[in-house]
Amino acid sequence: NAGVTQTPKFQVLKTGQSMTLQCAQDMNHNSMYWYRQDPGMGLRLIYYSASEGTTDKGEVPNGYNVSRLNKREFSLRLESAAPSQTSVYFCASSEVIPAPNSPLHFGNGTRLTVT
Amino acid sequence: KQEVTQIPAALSVPEGENLVLNCSFTDSAIYNLQWFRQDPGKGLTSLLLIQSSQREQTSGRLNASLDKSSGRSTLYIAASQPGDSATYLCAVSPRWGWVNRDDKIIFGKGTRLHILP
Repeated sequence: NAGVTQTPKFQVLKTGQSMTLQCAQDMNHNSMYWYRQDPGMGLRLIYYSASEGTTDKGEVPNGYNVSRLNKREFSLRLESAAPSQTSVYFCASSEVIPAPNSPLHFGNGTRLTVT
Repeated sequence: KQEVTQIPAALSVPEGENLVLNCSFTDSAIYNLQWFRQDPGKGLTSLLLIQSSQREQTSGRLNASLDKSSGRSTLYIAASQPGDSATYLCAVSPRWGWVNRDDKIIFGKGTRLHILP
């Protein structure tokens, strides 16, 4: 059981370049999320998708776009990367949101450096 | 706005000791509270989820408690081992956050635990 799979694991971009982070889950979850984790800031929600066909902004959406391609896949796109987007990006999924017994499951992350 | 705090930020204890990690939150209107473990360079692994209606959950050497009235949760680790060394995070799912679009799942900044052999 793979759970939540993210690709790539590492990426280095130059300022202004674009890239897409991929995420797929095999748990038949309805809801998916993108977080970024920075030292001293903790985990912050970028975008989420409550169900297939819907997406919504989180706490720090500026500079990002997302696509819920189907129930399994949720991608995060940086159109014009900036050094401030250097971070570790995590994809997560849960059965539904919000619900008392719906835990979050995380991927292993993508470590992105923008020079 | 919901705030989640974990104190201390770092903790070192000798192997074999029992220990308690703390998580406090400001708004008791929650769906659940979840404890995670994060190893360096890795993602978050879910340890325990306590629903709003529950007082505690147990898994092996781990026991998590929830006291909504005081805004506190504790993660108890029995007979600690060097393999328990990691960062432990708690996260709260606010009951009204998704409707109001103010708060989503709010994470604490974690407690970095080091078990001394």
